[in-house]
Amino acid sequence: AQTVTQSQPEMSVQEAETVTLSCTYDTSESDYYLFWYKQPPSRQMILVIRQEAYKQQNATENRFSVNFQKAAKSFSLKISDSQLGDAAMYFCAYRSSNTGNQFYFGTGTSLTVIP
Amino acid sequence: GAGVSQTPSNKVTEKGKYVELRCDPISGHTALYWYRQSLGQGPEFLIYFQGTGAADDSGLPNDRFFAVRPEGSVSTLKIQRTERGDSAVYLCASSLLAGGSYNEQFFGPGTRLTVL
Repeated sequence: AQTVTQSQPEMSVQEAETVTLSCTYDTSESDYYLFWYKQPPSRQMILVIRQEAYKQQNATENRFSVNFQKAAKSFSLKISDSQLGDAAMYFCAYRSSNTGNQFYFGTGTSLTVIP
Repeated sequence: GAGVSQTPSNKVTEKGKYVELRCDPISGHTALYWYRQSLGQGPEFLIYFQGTGAADDSGLPNDRFFAVRPEGSVSTLKIQRTERGDSAVYLCASSLLAGGSYNEQFFGPGTRLTVL
C-alpha cells in the first residue's frame, strides 16, 4: 500500500503571512492523484486542492497552491495571506488512478493562525 | 443541496456490544466509502461500495466489521462485539462516480464512537 508522510505535526503562521505544509509519499505508480484536505473541529473533511500526477503545472486555488515534485515524491501546500479561518488540521492524501478508489492519508498537520 | 450526513454524531457503548453507524450520501452519488480515523491519525480506508455491492472491503480490520448498502443509497456500518480499540471517528464519503480522473469524495461529519 502507498504511504503518505506529513512530518510536521504542528505549524503556526501569523495572520496575513505565508505558510508551507510538507507532504511526501511513496509509490511505484506513475499515474495517480494527490489532494490536500482541511479538517476543522467540526470533523468534516473539505477538499482544498487537487493535483493530477501527469500534469507538470502546479495546481492553484485562490490563496492555496502546491509545489508538486514528482521525482522527489513531494507535494507541499502553500497558503498565502493566511486567515483565521484557515486554522484546522490539514491532511495530504494519495489516490491511485489504477487500483482502487480509496484515499491514503497522512497523519495530518495542525495549523494555528496567530492574529 | 444536502451534503453527506451521518448518524449518530456521537455513540458511547460498552465493550462487547453491537453498534450500527448510518451514512446518508449525497443524492445521486453511486460510490460510497467508509473510513476510520483514530486519535491523532489520518483517516484509514475500510470499505467502498459501488451501487449496492462492496467493491473493495480490504480495509475492514476483522470479521466483527460489516457494512451494507441494500438500495444503493444509505449505508450502515455494523460492528459486533465492540472492543475499546474500536474507539475512533468513523467517516463516510460519497462521490458521483467511482474512478476516473475526477472523483471528488465529499465527506460527512463523522460518528465519534467511544467504547468503554
